[in-house]
Amino acid sequence: DVKVTQSSRYLVKRTGEKVFLECVQDMDHENMFWYRQDPGLGLRLIYFSYDVKMKEKGDIPEGYSVSREKKERFSLILESASTNQTSMYLCASSPPQDLPGNTIYFGEGSWLTVV
Amino acid sequence: RKEVEQDPGPFNVPEGATVAFNCTYSNSASQSFFWYRQDCRKEPKLLMSVYSSGNEDGRFTAQLNRASQYISLLIRDSKLSDSATYLCVVSDTGTASKLTFGTGTRLQVTL
Repeated sequence: DVKVTQSSRYLVKRTGEKVFLECVQDMDHENMFWYRQDPGLGLRLIYFSYDVKMKEKGDIPEGYSVSREKKERFSLILESASTNQTSMYLCASSPPQDLPGNTIYFGEGSWLTVV
Repeated sequence: RKEVEQDPGPFNVPEGATVAFNCTYSNSASQSFFWYRQDCRKEPKLLMSVYSSGNEDGRFTAQLNRASQYISLLIRDSKLSDSATYLCVVSDTGTASKLTFGTGTRLQVTL
């Protein structure tokens, strides 16, 4: 089974703090993703990466950055946390793009509250 | 118009009932389709892919109607454990990097 692990499940941070969310996958997947999920808005893609040191902006990258130094690890960084970044953050990974019908597998989620 | 639209529900059905959800998508060039299940405060998990010819997995049947641009999920003989939110997911390019998620349909199965 695919295993995507998010190290922090529940965090409370203060406005202006720098926040790191870590994600590790054990299936040697090329693609990794960070989403946030908010009530009524569904899942929205923040950033994704298709290879080490490669990154692409998703739909809502503002206020976030990412790092992928190793294939299995993809980090999401909130440079200066704000209250509107309170959300559930989901990391995901997927096999290479050339596999038909491929889909993604999610970690358990990180619940971030910014006060 | 949202790219992927679902009725948010909730659908409240008794155990043993049959229930169906629809999902419409706006991009006629969409290539891959999925249903995910998400339990409260948990991550989404793949329930099933949706193939052009329709497909079945036990009590679950998924169908795709490209002409009308919708996919459906039918659950027969509902169980209490089916209570969850069902997310419709569409890929415009056939790759995971371009997935669009619906906001989900909530199902509550009762005794």
